[in-house]
Amino acid sequence: DGGITQSPKYLFRKEGQNVTLSCEQNLNHDAMYWYRQDPGQGLRLIYYSQIVNDFQKGDIAEGYSVSREKKESFPLTVTSAQKNPTAFYLCASSISSVPIREQFFGPGTRLTVL
Amino acid sequence: AQSVTQPDIHITVSEGASLELRCNYSYGATPYLFWYVQSPGQGLQLLLKYFSGDTLVQGIKGFEAEFKRSQSSFNLRKPSVHWSDAAEYFCAVGLHGSGNTGKLIFGQGTTLQVKP
Repeated sequence: DGGITQSPKYLFRKEGQNVTLSCEQNLNHDAMYWYRQDPGQGLRLIYYSQIVNDFQKGDIAEGYSVSREKKESFPLTVTSAQKNPTAFYLCASSISSVPIREQFFGPGTRLTVL
Repeated sequence: AQSVTQPDIHITVSEGASLELRCNYSYGATPYLFWYVQSPGQGLQLLLKYFSGDTLVQGIKGFEAEFKRSQSSFNLRKPSVHWSDAAEYFCAVGLHGSGNTGKLIFGQGTTLQVKP
């Protein structure tokens, strides 16, 4: 089955630690996205990548980093510089970003900072 | 700035009743519009989309939405709600044009509760 996988489903981190969230897609999509979801705030874009080896900051990129070395993979690192990292993180992909196409979402990773 | 507003944070309807979830957007160009649904602790699933053409669009699970340019709205409707429709619903606008490469702006979401 084609789709987007995210791992782990739950992640616990101590303050001061960096953690990396995995996102893999086998849809052969060019574009991939990372969103952060907090209660009552909808989804906010962290980073996006239109094509392999390229990515751009979204609206709330501070304290996060990404890489896009392979078409199917777009890992997100939450660094210790992120002041309030506890949230639900969603990865998405679309066949292209230009022109706009619908985005397909993974099941999410819930990150909790202890 | 572009924005999406879902005026109703929480809606409760009885099973079998009709449903309308409101979505208003602020965007200078012709929008690309989407409705997504999210069950607790899950990712988002696309219900329907509007890019151009017929302003009444049909989606999955018996949902439809109507684009009204004059009202800057894209309201989601269902004639008869089922208990399994209880979830959170998000409206989104796709930004196109220079510098807005495929980004989606999401509303804050509407939580639907279905009474038996």
